[in-house]
Amino acid sequence: DVQMTQSPSSLSASVGDTVTITCRASQTINTYLNWYQKKPGRAPKVLIYAASSLQTGVPSRFSGSGSGTDFTLTISSLQPEDLATYYCQQTNSVPYTFGPGTTVDLK
Amino acid sequence: QVQLQESGPGLVKPSETLSLTCTVSGVSIRSYYWNWIRQPPGKGLEWIGHMYHSGTTNYNPSLKSRVTMSVDTSKNQFYLNLTSVTAADTADYYCASSLAITGWNWFDSWGKGALVTVSS
Repeated sequence: DVQMTQSPSSLSASVGDTVTITCRASQTINTYLNWYQKKPGRAPKVLIYAASSLQTGVPSRFSGSGSGTDFTLTISSLQPEDLATYYCQQTNSVPYTFGPGTTVDLK
Repeated sequence: QVQLQESGPGLVKPSETLSLTCTVSGVSIRSYYWNWIRQPPGKGLEWIGHMYHSGTTNYNPSLKSRVTMSVDTSKNQFYLNLTSVTAADTADYYCASSLAITGWNWFDSWGKGALVTVSS
């Protein structure tokens, strides 16, 4: 299985800050990497697919980059509604695996 | 617009079988791959497996011995059975759609989730 790690596991930031979350795969996964936002009591929502493509309807302050084993999710100008847990997911091979998540809260 | 809705018992006894249904609307169930994902309380997301209407399935090896997925195209529904459950199977269970098996593939539509508690 491809193991996914994320850092940090949690972070505190202020409204308007730029937030960066990193995700690393245990083996190369090309750009078969997605980012999801998960809020309590709600289903996950895909933000970024194929490492850097913005899902329709997702604000442009979200962006993704990377390929191979190292990936980044950036939230520019953090908004209160962005408080959530963020997960990366690889779809290079089954079983699909998720990172352990990064929780973003307000400083 | 694709909509998914999970349904099934919210409480299952240890050693019994967890059974969930995902009802799909807005699209034919023949159009996508259909996934089950779960999230235990306070923990992360775990992919359980997926299936295609043809019967193609892939299961997470960690659960493979206990999981069965099936589909009823006439009802536009697909199903999850998880046998011999323990408290560790207590989780929110989600169904989700995806377009492929591997490669550029993502879960773009999700159900709202169903909490299943395993307890006597």
